[in-house]
Amino acid sequence: QVQLVESGGGVVQPGTSLRLSCAASGFTFSSYGMHWVRQTPGKGLEWLSAISHDGSNKYFTDSVKGRFTISRDNSKNTVYLQMNSLRAEDTAMYYCTNLGITQAPDIWGRGTMVTVSS
Amino acid sequence: DVVMTQSPLSLPVTLGQPASISCRSSQSLVYSDGNTYLNWFQQRPGQSPRRLIYKVSNRDSGVPDRFSGSGSGTDFTLKISRVEAEDVGVYYCMQATHWPPWTFGQGTKVEIK
Repeated sequence: QVQLVESGGGVVQPGTSLRLSCAASGFTFSSYGMHWVRQTPGKGLEWLSAISHDGSNKYFTDSVKGRFTISRDNSKNTVYLQMNSLRAEDTAMYYCTNLGITQAPDIWGRGTMVTVSS
Repeated sequence: DVVMTQSPLSLPVTLGQPASISCRSSQSLVYSDGNTYLNWFQQRPGQSPRRLIYKVSNRDSGVPDRFSGSGSGTDFTLKISRVEAEDVGVYYCMQATHWPPWTFGQGTKVEIK
């Protein structure tokens, strides 16, 4: 069964850190670039970060550059999002996805909720 | 960054009637390989997004044929030929031609009148 399962979300205070994980199964994980997309409660989708299939290239949206890092371990079929210096505006549901743009399947996890609050 | 602008943002529709959502990009989405990387996603209440259409007009497996995508350059449209109750949700367009960043439209909420 093709799936992505996010974990690591929770309630944290501003200025702290959190690491999200996304475990893949049912497909050849190492062949796909992977993305993190977030959705603020009641709002739209915001692309955050991407990593190439082999981890050699990484991309970030401006609002998280310098605070978030992305990495992957193809031996564990897992992609990570390290989030530092968290702010209230980072409160959102965080989704992991391969964000397919061709006939290859487009796969999304169920998301993990991050709440940044004092 | 490419800005994606959807309209309308809210779309009340009668069951069985057609619906149309527009998506405009701030620059052409034709890539150097000749393809146009414009996706449409559906997000039902309480669910993760699900891709419906890729490369403007290609329906994903399992997507009903009442959904169709069209357009070129900077203007794109998602049409639902006859809206059913299960189509309620928010629809997003997304461009993957000029990246980073990959950019989404604001979303269009489809509801039943």
